[in-house]
Amino acid sequence: NAGVMQNPRHLVRRRGQEARLRCSPMKGHSHVYWYRQLPEEGLKFMVYLQKENIIDESGMPKERFSAEFPKEGPSILRIQQVVRGDSAAYFCASSPGRQSEKLFFGSGTQLSVL
Amino acid sequence: KQEVTQIPAALSVPEGENLVLNCSFTDSAIYNLQWFRQDPGKGLTSLLLIQSSQREQTSGRLNASLDKSSGRSTLYIAASQPGDSATYLCAVSGAGGTSYGKLTFGQGTILTVHP
Repeated sequence: NAGVMQNPRHLVRRRGQEARLRCSPMKGHSHVYWYRQLPEEGLKFMVYLQKENIIDESGMPKERFSAEFPKEGPSILRIQQVVRGDSAAYFCASSPGRQSEKLFFGSGTQLSVL
Repeated sequence: KQEVTQIPAALSVPEGENLVLNCSFTDSAIYNLQWFRQDPGKGLTSLLLIQSSQREQTSGRLNASLDKSSGRSTLYIAASQPGDSATYLCAVSGAGGTSYGKLTFGQGTILTVHP
């Protein structure tokens, strides 16, 4: 049973480009969380999604950031017109249900904006 | 707004020592508290989860305690080994939130155990 898969592991973008980060949850998991780890800061919650629904996006910047978790395929975190301040490690976690306390984290995507 | 603080920020100990990592949180209305381990270039691994109604949890050489009323938790590592070197993260899940997976993390303690 494969764990949470994130790709790419490393992503380099120039300022103004778009970044698309993908997360495939563990088999049987329909709940996905995205967290961001900025340099010298702790992990911060961004968004919580179920299949085809955004449940809580209170941690997501209001502009340029969006997330989806379609019925088929991985969850996507999309960052438009990236800026240097977006450089961070982005982690995805999945769980089997809202009431589940156990989160399984992926290895993260390191985004570097030049 | 919940804030989680971990002390110390970094710790270096010789192999075999027992050690304590500290975590404090400002809002005692939590559902649970978890300790994670993060290795460089890898994701987080859950070590111990303590429900708000519990006082401690143990797994092997690890013991975590929770004092919810004072907003504190400690992670005790017995007989430390070089393989324990990693960043240890404390995280709390707020009561009444959208889900138990919405966590507030501390900034971590970087542990180095040298032979």
